[in-house]
Amino acid sequence: AQSVAQPEDQVNVAEGNPLTVKCTYSVSGNPYLFWYVQYPNRGLQFLLKYITGDNLVKGSYGFEAEFNKSQTSFHLKKPSALVSDSALYFCAVSLISSGSARQLTFGSGTQLTVLP
Amino acid sequence: DAGVTQSPTHLIKTRGQQVTLRCSPKSGHDTVCWYQQALGQGPQFIFQYYEEEERQRGNFPDRFSGHQFPNYSSELNVNALLLGDSALYLCASSKRQVNTGELFFGEGSRLTVL
Repeated sequence: AQSVAQPEDQVNVAEGNPLTVKCTYSVSGNPYLFWYVQYPNRGLQFLLKYITGDNLVKGSYGFEAEFNKSQTSFHLKKPSALVSDSALYFCAVSLISSGSARQLTFGSGTQLTVLP
Repeated sequence: DAGVTQSPTHLIKTRGQQVTLRCSPKSGHDTVCWYQQALGQGPQFIFQYYEEEERQRGNFPDRFSGHQFPNYSSELNVNALLLGDSALYLCASSKRQVNTGELFFGEGSRLTVL
């Protein structure tokens, strides 16, 4: 069974400061890892993914994430936060095997608030 | 280029009733997944459809069923509704040959069961 933990329900950061949203995962096998963002009353939007290769993945809107296999973590980062980044962020994992990659297991989400 | 569209956006049902939710995938996509997102939680995988058949299923009872049509659109049916079925139901689409797990989500159908 696979699982995702997002240890912080809420992260507050001042505009212009760097932000980090934490994620750890547990999976048997090689994982695909994802970050999605959800704005109020909207569906989820894809931010970035890690499949293989470079441990630092760059995504949309200036976000990046670092894959750490030994710590089973995939933290989301951004060098300079914007008020418009305020939203609910979900980390997700799936397995690299035929047919199962779309069966994402999501964390419980972290509400990011960027203060002006 | 239309993205994933879902209908209805909101609906209210009573316990024991049945509901049908509809989804049209993004243009060029042939695979549809359904997820349930309860309030304050992350989405949970219900099932996946391609080539008009259910291919994978999450940990949901048989009251949850689906269908995919030849034009790749899909329906989610829930019978004998329970209060706990109240949630945002998300449809997500992708191309079958792009098996990387990157999904395009619709805005969801919010179901309230009274």
